[in-house]
Order: sequence, then structure tokens, then C-alpha cells
Amino acid sequence: QQQVKQSPQSLIVQKGGISIINCAYENTAFDYFPWYQQFPGKGPALLIAIRPDVSEKKEGRFTISFNKSAKQFSLHIMDSQPGDSATYFCAASDLGGGADGLTFGKGTHLIIQP
Amino acid sequence: DTAVSQTPKYLVTQMGNDKSIKCEQNLGHDTMYWYKQDSKKFLKIMFSYNNKELIINETVPNRFSPKSPDKAHLNLHINSLELGDSAVYFCASSRPGRRSTEAFFGQGTRLTVV
Repeated sequence: QQQVKQSPQSLIVQKGGISIINCAYENTAFDYFPWYQQFPGKGPALLIAIRPDVSEKKEGRFTISFNKSAKQFSLHIMDSQPGDSATYFCAASDLGGGADGLTFGKGTHLIIQP
Repeated sequence: DTAVSQTPKYLVTQMGNDKSIKCEQNLGHDTMYWYKQDSKKFLKIMFSYNNKELIINETVPNRFSPKSPDKAHLNLHINSLELGDSAVYFCASSRPGRRSTEAFFGQGTRLTVV
């Protein structure tokens, strides 16, 4: 049973455009929603995270939008740059909001074309 | 200084062999993990250790066994390797529970079974 569904599987965006990756979850006990970024040959690294008490969190060009009633959250990358090309994973946790017990989505391979 | 380090980075071995992957973290974290990333980039947690006690043990074959000699190390032993074990294995660490907001990943070990 896949508890966190991520789409699209791959995404190509022109430089300067907006990249949008969506995730949906089923477990209403989830209370921590991070996004991880993974470059080729490297391990995933935390990019940005949100808790369900807010509907949006912004850090630079990266924004998480969270819809608790729909059980959906999304990552928006504004002014996308070639250096943003990577695989992005959404995740969710229900163990007190910590890194313990993270459930990852299947990942989105993002390519930013110059 | 590398926060979470794994060795080796690449491992090629024949079916039926026994191999180990080592992991060390210098972050002072209490919890360490092993994740498996398959060819489709799907990340799945295999084990986690908290203060040298196994607290999550997903349904992985018992050919896989984590060994933690101390809080800073969590090694992965794999017996009787099979073709399907080929994947990238990531070690990670975090602080436990609510104090934790991030899992720190190593660079990964690409295991190829031939």
C-alpha cells in the first residue's frame, strides 16, 4: 500500500519557468511533510518541510502548498534553473513529526532546460 | 567533515557471496537508518536503530542484518547475495522523535550482484 503518491514521475521545464510537483497522502495521522532533493550520485537532502498547522511555507524560490482537507501538498519551484535539475521526493511522517518513520513518494525526475 | 559516510561507494560481487557496507556518522545523532533505493529511484526504509536497539524492522529478508557496534556506526551485512539485491543502499541518521526535523543521508553504496 503506497501511503504517499507523487506525480508526475518526470517533468521537463524551461529555464525561468515554474516547476510543480504534487503529492497526496492517505494516513491522516501524518503530521510532518518534508521534501528531499537528490542529485545524481548523492544521497537525498532536506530541501523544505511543512507541518499541517500552516497552508504554505516559502524558502527562497521553493514553496510548499498544503491542503489538509484534500490531503495534498505540492512543491513549487519559481524561476527554475538548470541547477535545480534533480530528483525530488515528497515524504510524510506520523511519529511526532520527526525523521523517524518517513514514508517517501516515488520521486519526480526534474529536468530544467536552458 | 562528512556528516554521514558510507564505504564502499561501489560494490560488485557474485551471487551467493556475503558482503558488508559500513556507515559512520559524526553528528552525534541517536538514530541511524538503512534505506534501499531501487532502479526506479524508489526509497524504502529497511532498518532503524536508536541507542543500539532495533526499533523498525521492515519486511526485508533475514539475509540482511544491521549491526551497530556503537551509536556512531550502523553497518549492513548481507548474506547469500541475490541478483535482486542490486540497488543503491543509503545510510542516514537523525535525532529521535519530535527533536528531529531532518534525516541526513550518506552518499550511497551502489551494490551490483552479478
